[in-house]
Amino acid sequence: KAGVTQTPRYLIKTRGQQVTLSCSPISGHRSVSWYQQTPGQGLQFLFEYFSETQRNKGNFPGRFSGRQFSNSRSEMNVSTLELGDSALYLCASSLDRGRDGNEQFFGPGTRLTVL
Amino acid sequence: SQQGEEDPQALSIQEGENATMNCSYKTSINNLQWYRQNSGRGLVHLILIRSNEREKHSGRLRVTLDTSKKSSSLLITASRAADTASYFCATVRPAGGTSYGKLTFGQGTILTVHP
Repeated sequence: KAGVTQTPRYLIKTRGQQVTLSCSPISGHRSVSWYQQTPGQGLQFLFEYFSETQRNKGNFPGRFSGRQFSNSRSEMNVSTLELGDSALYLCASSLDRGRDGNEQFFGPGTRLTVL
Repeated sequence: SQQGEEDPQALSIQEGENATMNCSYKTSINNLQWYRQNSGRGLVHLILIRSNEREKHSGRLRVTLDTSKKSSSLLITASRAADTASYFCATVRPAGGTSYGKLTFGQGTILTVHP
């Protein structure tokens, strides 16, 4: 079974631009979560989607948004980029078997650099 | 914000030695998970321990959980150079809206195993 894939792997943008990152979950996984990883703040939860609905959101400004498609693929968008948005963005998928939190399977990440 | 602390922040050992990493967290949890990350890549799930479990084994890994102290430890026995990586604990809150798809990570322990 193919793992979680993320595109692009590397991205360089300038301040004020916007960016869209893509994530394809493992086949059969309907839950997709996004995380931001920086040296200063570590790994922080951005949001989670399940069946095209955002079920949970972390403490990030409205410039960060996402969506999920009917095939469970997900995208996240960051508008009006700031230098502090430079980070590794990780996508993870899981089976979401119900009440218990499940193990998550992570993609390789997209390294975003904002100049 | 991070759920808790991990210690040590960095650990350097020789091949064949055991490595122990500790994690503390702040709130009640449904389960606690450990992940490994190699050099800024995606995270790999290692083991999940539920709040009603005290110890769990998987190969060379042993995880303990003490919910009264809100702490967990990860023991890697007979370490190998290939175990060199960052190790993160992550907690899942009890079921509810704020827990969907959300892992709350510690700051991580950087483990270096010298051949």
